[in-house]
Amino acid sequence: AQKVTQAQTEISVVEKEDVTLDCVYETRDTTYYLFWYKQPPSGELVFLIRRNSFDEQNEISGRYSWNFQKSTSSFNFTITASQVVDSAVYFCALSEAGSNYKLTFGKGTLLTVNP
Amino acid sequence: NAGVTQTPKFQVLKTGQSMTLQCAQDMNHEYMSWYRQDPGMGLRLIHYSVGAGITDQGEVPNGYNVSRSTTEDFPLRLLSAAPSQTSVYFCASTQRRSGSGEQYFGPGTRLTVT
Repeated sequence: AQKVTQAQTEISVVEKEDVTLDCVYETRDTTYYLFWYKQPPSGELVFLIRRNSFDEQNEISGRYSWNFQKSTSSFNFTITASQVVDSAVYFCALSEAGSNYKLTFGKGTLLTVNP
Repeated sequence: NAGVTQTPKFQVLKTGQSMTLQCAQDMNHEYMSWYRQDPGMGLRLIHYSVGAGITDQGEVPNGYNVSRSTTEDFPLRLLSAAPSQTSVYFCASTQRRSGSGEQYFGPGTRLTVT
């Protein structure tokens, strides 16, 4: 069975601080996909990134970066120079290859960025 | 392109009542799914469909029915609402071609059962 653990329930930072959200996953599949979604206070789910299990390159998109380490089954998300607009719940999710209609989500991390 | 739409946005039901949450997508996606989101629990899969006429159960299917008569629509039926079904419900769709692309989520339906 698949499992995603986001051990940080809530994180609070001051604007401009860097913050890392942790995600640890469990799966028996050799091919799988990892995702991050953002849920702002308005409630919608916003796709941030998808990473397949064969691509361990880190990715950077503006202030966002992701560190995928297969050896530790982790897919961590870092926001550099956080802003108030980054305040949201962030979900890490996992799917088997070819089964992206069945996402296993972590419980989410509530990030609050204070001015 | 409206993407994934859900109606209603909010609903209050009494215990024992039935209702259907509507979900439609206009992206011609083969795959559609229903999730529920409860505080501190993340999103959990209720039912999913890999094409018209094909549905299957997810992690928490009890108390819910689905059907998929068209590619566009994937309604979720609550047969006899219970307070434990108070939740936010999200419908999602994704295309089969990529195999593991992102799911597109609807805006959600907030359901309260009293």
